[in-house]
Amino acid sequence: NSKVIQTPRYLVKGQGQKAKMRCIPEKGHPVVFWYQQNKNNEFKFLINFQNQEVLQQIDMTEKRFSAECPSNSPCSLEIQSSEAGDSALYLCASSPDKNERLFFGHGTKLSVL
Amino acid sequence: QQKVQQSPESLIVPEGGMASLNCTSSDRNVDYFWWYRQHSGKSPKMLMSIFSNGEKEEGRFTVHLNKASLHTSLHIRDSQPSDSALYLCAASDTNTGKLTFGDGTVLTVKP
Repeated sequence: NSKVIQTPRYLVKGQGQKAKMRCIPEKGHPVVFWYQQNKNNEFKFLINFQNQEVLQQIDMTEKRFSAECPSNSPCSLEIQSSEAGDSALYLCASSPDKNERLFFGHGTKLSVL
Repeated sequence: QQKVQQSPESLIVPEGGMASLNCTSSDRNVDYFWWYRQHSGKSPKMLMSIFSNGEKEEGRFTVHLNKASLHTSLHIRDSQPSDSALYLCAASDTNTGKLTFGDGTVLTVKP
């Protein structure tokens, strides 16, 4: 069973709506990654954090996507104005170090109608 | 641009056979390779990692790495139907911590 907790498991939004998903990393893991996996199984890196600091993020994330990992609260990924092309499985993963293996959550499956 | 290329896209092997999966990075900054396995409807789980030239074996699984060509391969001997899954290769740049995944190889092991 995954120790990385993602909520909700399923999220349905209309185009233009905000979509927010959360992730509680495994205890003791300061590094958190967010990936988008589309229906063709393609993985796209979105952003990663070490503690509360952003390590890297892609351009897409800088525009409609926002993410944070506040101390003592779940990490979150939010899409400000959802588009049909955002429909995907959003996977959160945590790690004890940025160069260690990732432990994935079950994901949030977003459907934008 | 896709920086981690995996081949083949899909592979069918008979039960008991050998499955060979390939992965190459085009990013000269990467120095660590990972293989993850994702069963249908499940989250990916790390299988093996390698950062030194050569070979690493764990049970039925063997990973090779050629750092000069940034090519890694995963070999599964005595394949079982339970090995049927999406196999994802990932390459990391240990300076930045960025981990890039390939598009995966779908392995089907037929009984």
